[in-house]
Amino acid sequence: DSGVTQTPKHLITATGQRVTLRCSPRSGDLSVYWYQQSLDQGLQFLIQYYNGEERAKGNILERFSAQQFPDLHSELNLSSLELGDSALYFCASSVRAFSYEQYFGPGTRLTVT
Amino acid sequence: GENVEQHPSTLSVQEGDSAVIKCTYSDSASNYFPWYKQELGKRPQLIIDIRSNVGEKKDQRIAVTLNKTAKHFSLHITETQPEDSAVYFCAANNNDMRFGAGTRLTVKP
Repeated sequence: DSGVTQTPKHLITATGQRVTLRCSPRSGDLSVYWYQQSLDQGLQFLIQYYNGEERAKGNILERFSAQQFPDLHSELNLSSLELGDSALYFCASSVRAFSYEQYFGPGTRLTVT
Repeated sequence: GENVEQHPSTLSVQEGDSAVIKCTYSDSASNYFPWYKQELGKRPQLIIDIRSNVGEKKDQRIAVTLNKTAKHFSLHITETQPEDSAVYFCAANNNDMRFGAGTRLTVKP
């Protein structure tokens, strides 16, 4: 157990809908990262937050957005969902910025039907 | 931005043999290189990492080497065991973490 928690574990929804994924970092970690992993694919970096502020953006679609709250938990919002958005979404956390060990949560499996 | 290439995509070895996975990166400013192991349906787990001021790092049966000049780094697993079977990802990071495509390692008993 890495100490990073994610909810929900599984999510099934229809095309065009909107969902919110939630992540709580390890105690003491200030950075939160979101990754997308499609079937048999690698990990695609989406976005990073550090102490409430957006720090870096990767391959995140405009339909997706995220934020980090004062208690450091983060939410990833996915809207106008398409079949191709079906994937595992991982959250990771680290003490500081990128060049530090990242610990991954168990992931949320999103299925868009 | 950073581009990380990883080879091979699949690797099959006999139990007890060594396994080597190689990665190259493009951004010379990248300074942190972690390796993750991911078992089917589970989270990626950090197994070893190396920073740009170090050439080699070992942790029991696992070692990582870094060649900054050539911009490549490698994971070495010795005395492989069936429980080493998993997908391994390398990554390179400056201000933006980029992962390789992964190597599916199978260790046959």
